Amino acid sequence: QSVLTQPPSVSAAPGQKVTVSCSGSSSNIGNNYVSWYQQLPGTAPKLLIYDNNKRPSGIPDRFSGSKSGTSATLGITGLQTGDEADYYCATWDSSLSAHVFGTGTKVTVL
Amino acid sequence: QLQLQESGPGLVKPSETLSLTCTVSGDSISSRTYYWGWVRQPPGKGPEWVGSIYYTGSTYYYPSLKSRVTISIDTSKNQFSLELTSVTAADTAVYYCARHKTNGDWVAWGQGNLVTVSS
Repeated sequence: QSVLTQPPSVSAAPGQKVTVSCSGSSSNIGNNYVSWYQQLPGTAPKLLIYDNNKRPSGIPDRFSGSKSGTSATLGITGLQTGDEADYYCATWDSSLSAHVFGTGTKVTVL
Repeated sequence: QLQLQESGPGLVKPSETLSLTCTVSGDSISSRTYYWGWVRQPPGKGPEWVGSIYYTGSTYYYPSLKSRVTISIDTSKNQFSLELTSVTAADTAVYYCARHKTNGDWVAWGQGNLVTVSS
């Protein structure tokens, strides 16, 4: 059972905005950087956001990340059908001494 | 361009040892900037970190798997490997090899290798 909790699903119409939350604690999100991953069906996860809010080269600025206290948020604006995927947050947990991933959120474009 | 490719059997019998190898191309596995790790994903579930290794051979593992996991590295072949002993059905998953930074940014992934534990 993951120590990072995400909503199972979120949805919105094309062109709209969605946010995905990731809730943790002081031993993980509260004191460590958060990264976000997109997993399209049948493929490996892909890094979208690192160090809470930075985008790797090639990731459009429609994707954004933020962190406040023991929670983090992924935002996706200008939603496209190609954004339909599972999204995971991840960080280091100092109490577990382990890299941990969130429970995952399925984003659906209506 | 960096590529990671897992190889190994897709079916392992209960109580036996799961062995996978990750071949890295496009960059040296002896990079001082990155660690090399294994992440697994059971069917329909989220990713779970298994363990990681640095080019020096230093390792660290997920606590609940530590007694059964060994990760090794062969810099001459640009490969690193995973061994998981005494497997059960709960170890059935897609196993990914990946490159990550110290703080856990998983920057590159292999395509994954589905391993099913069944008799």
